[in-house]
Order: sequence, then structure tokens, then C-alpha cells
Amino acid sequence: EAGVAQSPRYKIIEKRQSVAFWCNPISGHATLYWYQQILGQGPKLLIQFQNNGVVDDSQLPKDRFSAERLKGVDSTLKIQPAKLEDSAVYLCASSLDLAGDREDTQYFGPGTRLTVL
Amino acid sequence: GQNIDQPTEMTATEGAIVQINCTYQTSGFNGLFWYQQHAGEAPTFLSYNVLDGLEEKGRFSSFLSRSKGYSYLLLKELQMKDSASYLCAVRGGRDSWGKLQFGAGTQVVVTP
Repeated sequence: EAGVAQSPRYKIIEKRQSVAFWCNPISGHATLYWYQQILGQGPKLLIQFQNNGVVDDSQLPKDRFSAERLKGVDSTLKIQPAKLEDSAVYLCASSLDLAGDREDTQYFGPGTRLTVL
Repeated sequence: GQNIDQPTEMTATEGAIVQINCTYQTSGFNGLFWYQQHAGEAPTFLSYNVLDGLEEKGRFSSFLSRSKGYSYLLLKELQMKDSASYLCAVRGGRDSWGKLQFGAGTQVVVTP
């Protein structure tokens, strides 16, 4: 079974530029997550989709970050304009379902390492 | 909100046992996960606890006490490849859509 795919793996941009990341979840997984992981910290959830609807975007800086999941499969995360503090690894994860009464493991992609100069 | 604490770093020798503690304070609880993350790689799932007690999976075991807000991950017969960061993550209740809150991770260094 193919895992979560992400691209690009690395991106270097200057501040105030725009950048977009792409994620393809595991086939059949209804829930998709975008995390930001700053060096030395645990992943922080930015946005969570259930199929193509947003479930939680409370920690997404909406003035500069946006995300969509058209057709409930692939997703893109965009930053416009980027700031120095956005330098981090952006991880995409997917899980089968949101049901909280059982183990619903999140599987992570390899991440995109973003450097903002 | 949620607060999750785990030690920053632990060092152990090959073949030894290491126990990584995780304490949490949450407004809701619906399971605790442990992930392993090698440098520059994605987190990979290790274990899940939702009821009190010990879950064993080969060389790795995880324990949960919900009343104490406490979990630990036990790594036995340490191997060099176990050098990695170990992340404790708590899943919130239904009112938080099962969101995972991660600790900062414990860097385990295995020495020869």
C-alpha cells in the first residue's frame, strides 16, 4: 500500500514570496491533516479535513496560509506571503476516519522542508 | 487546552532499556499515541493506548494511567537504529474532533 506522498521535499524562498505544497493521502483515507514542525518541537496541527470539508483550522494563520482539498483526495497548502518564522517542515498526514472511539492512526508523509531567507 | 511534557533527551547504551515518560493535562482524552521520528524523516506510529495498562509490541511497550495523566514508552534491547526522537501525542475528545496534540519529543541517543 502506497504511503502519504508530498512534494516538493525541499523549498527555499525569500520572505514575502509565495509557496505551495502538495499532498496525496493514502487511498481511502477520509481525514487529511497539515502540520507545521519547527526544529526541536513536536508537530503542530494547522488544518484538518474530513473528506473535502474543513473540520479544524483554529491554528491556521489565515492572513497568510490557505489550504484546500478539492474532491476530497489531494490537498494543497499555500503560504502567501512567507515570513522568516515560517521556516519549518510541513507534514501531511492522513487517517481512515475521524471516529474517536477506536484507534485511528495518522500516517505521515515525508514532509516538505521550507527555508525562508 | 492541553499540556504535554516529556524529557528533552535521554542517553543509553546498546542492549540496555530506556523508559521515556510523558505527562499530560487535557480537557478531554481519547487515546495516547507514541511516534518515532528519525532525523529528517516523518513520524512513524509505534503504539496506542486508550485504556489503563501496558501494551507490548516486541521490543517496545507503552503504559497508560489515565487517572495520573501519565504514560511511558519502554524500549528494550536497545539497538543503534533506535536513536531517534520519540513523540508523545494525546488525542482530544469528540468536541475537539479527535485532534492530536504532540509533545516536543524526547531525543534518545544510543551509544555503543
